[in-house]
Amino acid sequence: EAGVAQSPRYKIIEKRQSVAFWCNPISGHATLYWYQQILGQGPKLLIQFQNNGVVDDSQLPKDRFSAERLKGVDSTLKIQPAKLEDSAVYLCASSLDMNAYFGYTFGSGTRLTVV
Amino acid sequence: AQSVTQPDIHITVSEGASLELRCNYSYGATPYLFWYVQSPGQGLQLLLKYFSGDTLVQGIKGFEAEFKRSQSSFNLRKPSVHWSDAAEYFCAGATGGGNKLTFGTGTQLKVEL
Repeated sequence: EAGVAQSPRYKIIEKRQSVAFWCNPISGHATLYWYQQILGQGPKLLIQFQNNGVVDDSQLPKDRFSAERLKGVDSTLKIQPAKLEDSAVYLCASSLDMNAYFGYTFGSGTRLTVV
Repeated sequence: AQSVTQPDIHITVSEGASLELRCNYSYGATPYLFWYVQSPGQGLQLLLKYFSGDTLVQGIKGFEAEFKRSQSSFNLRKPSVHWSDAAEYFCAGATGGGNKLTFGTGTQLKVEL
């Protein structure tokens, strides 16, 4: 089974620029998550989708971050405008359904550096 | 608040020595608990998980973890560490039946040859 695909692997941008990350989950996985992992910290949930609907975006800085999952498959996370503190690894994960019992599969992540 | 704590930021062990990584949880009821490993530049790989039942859980790569309710702990162990085990290890929890993982801050493992 193919894993969770993310692109790009690395991105360097200047502050106030915009950036977008893409995630393709495992086929058939209804639940998709975006996590932010700042250096030296554990991953923090940004947003959770169930099919094409948002389940939880309480930790998403909505003034600059947006995410969508059109058609309930691929997802895009956007930052506009970026700040220095957005430098982190952005991890996408997918799960068969909305229960941790099914387990998560993580992608390799996108490492963002804001200069 | 529901949380997972990993008290050790860095741990160094010699190859062939035993390993124990600590994890403490704070949940109202018995949570689902997980251990993940992350190698540099890689995503998170699941080592093992606990939902209920037998408190000693076996995982991949020779790892095991023991759920101790009395100590609110879920420590990860390996009897003999290999150099390839050097990585960052994350403990994570979710409410029973829930779906949102809360991660600890991670423990960086260094293996000396």
